[in-house]
Amino acid sequence: GNSVTQMEGPVTLSEEAFLTINCTYTATGYPSLFWYVQYPGEGLQLLLKATKADDKGSNKGFEATYRKETTSFHLEKGSVQVSDSAVYFCALSGSAGRRALTFGSGTRLQVQP
Amino acid sequence: DTAVSQTPKYLVTQMGNDKSIKCEQNLGHDTMYWYKQDSKKFLKIMFSYNNKELIINETVPNRFSPKSPDKAHLNLHINSLELGDSAVYFCASSQVGGRAVELFFGEGSRLTVL
Repeated sequence: GNSVTQMEGPVTLSEEAFLTINCTYTATGYPSLFWYVQYPGEGLQLLLKATKADDKGSNKGFEATYRKETTSFHLEKGSVQVSDSAVYFCALSGSAGRRALTFGSGTRLQVQP
Repeated sequence: DTAVSQTPKYLVTQMGNDKSIKCEQNLGHDTMYWYKQDSKKFLKIMFSYNNKELIINETVPNRFSPKSPDKAHLNLHINSLELGDSAVYFCASSQVGGRAVELFFGEGSRLTVL
């Protein structure tokens, strides 16, 4: 079945540091890949997505590239801010008959001023 | 206007009670979901409905019963609550079509069973 593996957190960084959160997946066929973000006390929001190999999703300074050869979708940001502190979830959507997303376990990011 | 709204936001109850969580979406989507998030933030799909028809029913105790009166609503009823049911329950919706199906989530309903 489909699965998503994320690096464990928490990840603690100083403001303006470079961020990488690793995500690898196992899936049959050609899944679409997503990063969702959950701010404290809120629901999940889509951060970015990619639908095919070598696609790069980007939003709010965050980027992730769909790497089929390494089955990865690592999230990066060049300079984090305190306001980026949240839990980040990598997810995939599988075959057309199953539209629910499969999520990774989430990685908490704490950015200190 | 809240796109996906859940009520109640917080629910504290005793073991053995029966409770319901309601969800409504005003996005015109045809598919709705219930996810459970445990204390370690792990998210697991429970149910999914497409146009009022159940299409995903994961291994969930039959004490949990979803009901979709119309495609804009998906309620979750839980019988005989147990301590392990304590979690945050998220409702979500999406529209069929395209490869990258984006889910829109509600703010969650935190259930605490004492």
